[in-house]
Amino acid sequence: GENVEQHPSTLSVQEGDSAVIKCTYSDSASNYFPWYKQELGKRPQLIIDIRSNVGEKKDQRIAVTLNKTAKHFSLHITETQPEDSAVYFCAAPWNSGNTPLVFGKGTRLSVIA
Amino acid sequence: GAVVSQHPSRVICKSGTSVKIECRSLDFQATTMFWYRQFPKKSLMLMATSNEGSKATYEQGVEKDKFLINHASLTLSTLTVTSAHPEDSSFYICSAKKAGDPYGYTFGSGTRLTVV
Repeated sequence: GENVEQHPSTLSVQEGDSAVIKCTYSDSASNYFPWYKQELGKRPQLIIDIRSNVGEKKDQRIAVTLNKTAKHFSLHITETQPEDSAVYFCAAPWNSGNTPLVFGKGTRLSVIA
Repeated sequence: GAVVSQHPSRVICKSGTSVKIECRSLDFQATTMFWYRQFPKKSLMLMATSNEGSKATYEQGVEKDKFLINHASLTLSTLTVTSAHPEDSSFYICSAKKAGDPYGYTFGSGTRLTVV
């Protein structure tokens, strides 16, 4: 099965600066790596994901990089805004096939205006 | 896009009573449903996996007789918390997986359960 480690647990940045959150995973067969943003009392919202056949994916201010050799993937948020403040979770499938996502412990991002 | 409706969004119940939470996939067939529990300031922890028409598989430490899961159709899965206690108070979220889509995980909106 999969084990996902996420760092840091909390992150404070000034508005306009960049934020980087890193995750490592254990199963070299994993091929899908989503990132979720969760606001208080709400469901996790998928913000970006990457599949194992690419090394980087970008969507406006958000990017994800994947290093399959090192088994780690990172979330990059540029030009941060106060509304980016939330808890972010990385995840990876437990195994191949119809298996659940295993989540990292989360990063509480605070963007200070 | 894929939508999963989860009800109720909030429920308060008395200790010793049972609560049923429903997750319904509105526009796709969910062959598999995952149930998670999230305590305050913690991550989502998998409780069980259910496949349509078969018994659920529970994670270690999750009591199957306490958390009854039914996945009788391709669009509906239910989680019943039986004989609820205050320590069962948590945020419960379902996640449905579409048949044939290896990347499609759709989350319900969550249920905040408070047991008093």
